[in-house]
Amino acid sequence: EVQLVESGGGLVKPGGSLRLSCAASEFTFSSYTMNWVRQAPGKGLEWVSSISSSGSYIYYADSVKGRFTISRDNAKTSLYLQMNSLRAEDTAVYYCARDDYSSSCIDYWGQGTLVTVSS
Amino acid sequence: DIQMTQSPSSLSASVGDRVTITCRASQSISSYLNWYQQKPGKAPKLLIYTASSLQSGVPSRFSGSGSGTDFTLTISSLQPEDFATYYCQQSYTTPPVTFGQGTKLEI
Repeated sequence: EVQLVESGGGLVKPGGSLRLSCAASEFTFSSYTMNWVRQAPGKGLEWVSSISSSGSYIYYADSVKGRFTISRDNAKTSLYLQMNSLRAEDTAVYYCARDDYSSSCIDYWGQGTLVTVSS
Repeated sequence: DIQMTQSPSSLSASVGDRVTITCRASQSISSYLNWYQQKPGKAPKLLIYTASSLQSGVPSRFSGSGSGTDFTLTISSLQPEDFATYYCQQSYTTPPVTFGQGTKLEI
């Protein structure tokens, strides 16, 4: 069974930084585009960023462009999200999610990690 | 960006009811529409992909239909475990991935 396990969330002050990690297992990580999707408390789902299987193609939502950096290490089967200049509105549960190209969908999600930006 | 609009935003129903949730795209997305179920405190779960394909392991009471701009998710006979929030998502033009605002299905 595909496993995606996020870590690195926590409480950070506005303007601070945090690095999220996602450990992937039970599938060929290097073959899949990966995403970060977030969900603010009581709100809907918001796509944050995606990275192609090789890391060659990277995309960001306008709301995080210039502040967040997505990366991956295929040898370590891990996905990362470096978050800088954090704002209160970045407070959310952040999910690591796998893209299934053949089905044109996000087919597996991690359990999420909570990021709280507050002074 | 393609906008996704779900209706209704919330819905009250009873066990055994037939329920339909609608999702409308701001432009044609062919059949590139997916449905997810999310229960409180849990990650979303894929139910339906490309408008009408049932994800493996998902009960057959769930079905999806539509193409172009208008789509529906139908639950033929509600079970207690189906009370959750449902999201549609377009995968026609990405990035960005865009989701509907969600439909909360309550008892």
